[in-house]
Amino acid sequence: DVKVTQSSRYLVKRTGEKVFLECVQDMDHENMFWYRQDPGLGLRLIYFSYDVKMKEKGDIPEGYSVSREKKERFSLILESASTNQTSMYLCASSPPDKFPGYTFGSGTRLTVV
Amino acid sequence: AQSVTQPDIHITVSEGASLELRCNYSYGATPYLFWYVQSPGQGLQLLLKYFSGDTLVQGIKGFEAEFKRSQSSFNLRKPSVHWSDAAEYFCAVGSNQAGTALIFGKGTTLSVSS
Repeated sequence: DVKVTQSSRYLVKRTGEKVFLECVQDMDHENMFWYRQDPGLGLRLIYFSYDVKMKEKGDIPEGYSVSREKKERFSLILESASTNQTSMYLCASSPPDKFPGYTFGSGTRLTVV
Repeated sequence: AQSVTQPDIHITVSEGASLELRCNYSYGATPYLFWYVQSPGQGLQLLLKYFSGDTLVQGIKGFEAEFKRSQSSFNLRKPSVHWSDAAEYFCAVGSNQAGTALIFGKGTTLSVSS
């Protein structure tokens, strides 16, 4: 069964910490995405990548950066965590033709205190 | 502007009753359309998708959706709801254009009453 694996289900971090959220897919997909999900706001795109070392800003990139050194791994970095970054973070991947749809990970619920 | 609207934030349906969740979109290109379901604390699972062909598409778990170009809609339906269908449902639109990502609606929460 194909999978997108997010390294942590729950994280609690302190304000100002640098936070790494890891996502690994085993489907050899070119495209990978990071969304955050908040009640009433749905899924908002943070960053995505369509190839190794390539990245594109989404709708809400401020306060975040990403890294894609290998095809299977896409990391989301919170440079200096703030309380307003408390959220559910969802990683997804897809082949170049997006019609098969995205495969999502189970999500990381991040709490910044 | 490209967008997806799910007009209903929360819907409650009796078990065994029919269900329709609404989705309207605004998109410049010929869109790919998707419905996803999210159970509490989980990621999103693809229910069904549409790009071309028959405008009524069948998905998993007994769901179907109908594409209506004239109304820019892609509504999700199920003839008889089960308690296990209680979840959050997201409509999404996108294209095959390089450098783009799916746009998601804000979701509709479905509650099922017995």
